[in-house]
Amino acid sequence: DARVTQTPRHKVTEMGQEVTMRCQPILGHNTVFWYRQTMMQGLELLAYFRNRAPLDDSGMPKDRFSAEMPDATLATLKIQPSEPRDSAVYFCASGLVRPGTGGAGSNQPQHFGDGTRLSIL
Amino acid sequence: AQSVTQLGSHVSVSEGALVLLRCNYSSSVPPYLFWYVQYPNQGLQLLLKYTSAATLVKGINGFEAEFKKSETSFHLTKPSAHMSDAAEYFCAVSGHGSSNTGKLIFGQGTTLQVKP
Repeated sequence: DARVTQTPRHKVTEMGQEVTMRCQPILGHNTVFWYRQTMMQGLELLAYFRNRAPLDDSGMPKDRFSAEMPDATLATLKIQPSEPRDSAVYFCASGLVRPGTGGAGSNQPQHFGDGTRLSIL
Repeated sequence: AQSVTQLGSHVSVSEGALVLLRCNYSSSVPPYLFWYVQYPNQGLQLLLKYTSAATLVKGINGFEAEFKKSETSFHLTKPSAHMSDAAEYFCAVSGHGSSNTGKLIFGQGTTLQVKP
């Protein structure tokens, strides 16, 4: 089965350090999503890309977070500088989205990676 | 705008008992609806999806859900709980057709506990 691969699975670092999380989407999927999961807020959509172009990053703190897709096989989420409140599990998901015209659009469901568990001390 | 409400953050059932996890949605456009399951230290896995075909949708692991437009509900059921069903379950909604962005709006999740 094709899978979304996220690295690293765990990351512990001190506040102020740069953190980079990576995601390899499923081959052929045109849309990549970044989510953050915490006990308090649940699942939050941070940003998403279609065909490598950012479509919406309104869920992301702009001053310290950045998301990119250098190529179709790699998406990155960076935090600089990191803060303790950034501690969470970060998920990447990918899917095949066909925006509809005249109601004809259809999607394949999002497939999730196993996440990066981030702890900022 | 779309939203999802999952009634009950924790549900506890005995092994062999009926599982019922509730989900109500709000959507100004015809929705796609999904149930995902999350096991500890893993990502979300798709259980089933409703995409405007049959209103009763069968998924993996014996789960099914029924889309009821009049009640704006998409409750998840399983006739007989198994210990391995203990996990967190998420209901999600997205738009389709001209409102299709691929974005999912998730509920807050329901933790299912299965007692022996």
